[in-house]
Amino acid sequence: GENVEQHPSTLSVQEGDSAVIKCTYSDSASNYFPWYKQELGKRPQLIIDIRSNVGEKKDQRIAVTLNKTAKHFSLHITETQPEDSAVYFCAASEGDRDDKIIFGKGTRLHILP
Amino acid sequence: KAGVTQTPRYLIKTRGQQVTLSCSPISGHRSVSWYQQTPGQGLQFLFEYFSETQRNKGNFPGRFSGRQFSNSRSEMNVSTLELGDSALYLCASSPHPSTDTQYFGPGTRLTVL
Repeated sequence: GENVEQHPSTLSVQEGDSAVIKCTYSDSASNYFPWYKQELGKRPQLIIDIRSNVGEKKDQRIAVTLNKTAKHFSLHITETQPEDSAVYFCAASEGDRDDKIIFGKGTRLHILP
Repeated sequence: KAGVTQTPRYLIKTRGQQVTLSCSPISGHRSVSWYQQTPGQGLQFLFEYFSETQRNKGNFPGRFSGRQFSNSRSEMNVSTLELGDSALYLCASSPHPSTDTQYFGPGTRLTVL
């Protein structure tokens, strides 16, 4: 089955700098890769997702890149702000096939003032 | 549109007891997935239901079970509770299974004493 590795587990970034979180997956059939943000005490919320027919997707300060050959995908947050502090989860799924979404273990992002 | 709701929000049980958690998806959503979230293991997939049928199941013992009703509401049951079952149990709904955007509920915090 699918296995998703996420790094780093903790990341501290100066406010205004960029943050990058990386994930690798094992199942080459995976074709859907969502990212979730979970603030302290709140539910995970989808912030961006990418499908395997796309190499990069941007939404304001957030971007995700996908390298299917290397089986890794990354979340990039530019011009970080205090409200970006949260735990971020990546996930992978085979999409249309009968498979479940597997999450990485999360990255705790601290934005330093 | 109302979001995903889960009841109860907090629950304290003792070892050996059983517990039933409830999830009401967003109106019109027919797919409901359940996740266990713990500090050490992150978000782990429990099972997914669509049209009252279990489509997928994660690597959890048979003490964890679930069902979905005709109105798409879902319940999960844990029998013979163990200390290690203490966790936040999240459900997520989507219109269709797997790759549709999942919307998470607030979770049920289960503490087993």
